[in-house]
Amino acid sequence: DGGITQSPKYLFRKEGQNVTLSCEQNLNHDAMYWYRQDPGQGLRLIYYSQIVNDFQKGDIAEGYSVSREKKESFPLTVTSAQKNPTAFYLCASSARGLRGNEQFFGPGTRLTVL
Amino acid sequence: AQRVTQPEKLLSVFKGAPVELKCNYSYSGSPELFWYVQYSRQRLQLLLRHISRESIKGFTADLNKGETSFHLKKPFAQEEDSAMYYCALGGSQGNLIFGKGTKLSVKP
Repeated sequence: DGGITQSPKYLFRKEGQNVTLSCEQNLNHDAMYWYRQDPGQGLRLIYYSQIVNDFQKGDIAEGYSVSREKKESFPLTVTSAQKNPTAFYLCASSARGLRGNEQFFGPGTRLTVL
Repeated sequence: AQRVTQPEKLLSVFKGAPVELKCNYSYSGSPELFWYVQYSRQRLQLLLRHISRESIKGFTADLNKGETSFHLKKPFAQEEDSAMYYCALGGSQGNLIFGKGTKLSVKP
């Protein structure tokens, strides 16, 4: 079954804890992205990676960190420095990190801070 | 600045009525524009992009550079069209810049 997978589907975090969201793709895509979706806010870019071992901050990177050690994996860590982490997180990938390329999205992870 | 504006949070129409979801953008240069759709309990997926000039599920969208708009239209709405629609602009790093979305509700 090809595509993008995210796990877990639901995640609960206590204040002060770091948590890591998983994103895996078997589409052989070079570029991967993390977006945050809040009600009434659309999707906002957190981090992106156009190639293995390289990644760049997006518009709202504060309090988040990522790694890209493998082409198929792009995990996102939500640190305790993120002031308002409760949100729906979407991972996406595209064949090339080029403007105009279609992005394919995962099913998302809903993070709730208790 | 690169920006996408969707002025309507919610659009409610009756089945068979025409639908137009508005999208305006701000971009210096030649834009790459998309419409993405999120049906209930499904993942976000591409509906159409302006370069392909296709009609998908009866929807069309025309890029109007003079008005900086990329409105999504369908002549006769169906109940299965009910979903969240996002207009998006291709960013310089291959990312997408999204509008805040419009929830379309098609009533029977």
